[in-house]
Amino acid sequence: DAGVIQSPRHEVTEMGQEVTLRCKPISGHNSLFWYRQTMMRGLELLIYFNNNVPIDDSGMPEDRFSAKMPNASFSTLKIQPSEPRDSAVYFCASSLRGRFTEAFFGQGTRLTVV
Amino acid sequence: GIQVEQSPPDLILQEGANSTLRCNFSDSVNNLQWFHQNPWGQLINLFYIPSGTKQNGRLSATTVATERYSLLYISSSQTTDSGVYFCAVDRGNTPLVFGKGTRLSVIA
Repeated sequence: DAGVIQSPRHEVTEMGQEVTLRCKPISGHNSLFWYRQTMMRGLELLIYFNNNVPIDDSGMPEDRFSAKMPNASFSTLKIQPSEPRDSAVYFCASSLRGRFTEAFFGQGTRLTVV
Repeated sequence: GIQVEQSPPDLILQEGANSTLRCNFSDSVNNLQWFHQNPWGQLINLFYIPSGTKQNGRLSATTVATERYSLLYISSSQTTDSGVYFCAVDRGNTPLVFGKGTRLSVIA
């Protein structure tokens, strides 16, 4: 398996622009997670899905952030409008939902908002 | 929610030295994972170890779930071991909660 695939790897955008990050989970996995990593806050969960349904989005910082999972093999995280404080590395991870499961992470998207 | 504490926060080693990284967690867990974040930012799975001991080459890990801690051992460290080591836990069917990590620098 190719693992969790994220795109783009790097994104530089101007403040106010819309940003869309993409994730393809490992085939067969039914849980998907979006994390954000910053120096100040470390790795924090933004939102997670089970069987394409959002379960907990309490980590989404503001209404400017939204996430979708239209099918089992694709998810997006959108920021509109983007702000400089959104600059961070965004990770997507997937796992097979169950009592004892291992999560695998994508290579991340480094977002810079100028 | 569950708290995860890692120690030490920073560690500098001479190449060839051994080290032990610790992860304490505040409640019972079903899953525990160790990751290595390399200098390119990639999170690499090292161990999936909710309990017991595992070994993979120069690395090994032990989790004592009843006492709520896990240890990661690195033997004969190499410069390529540099990076940040994260411990993460979950309580089953919940997302991983990460510690703040241990930043390891191995000097030749």
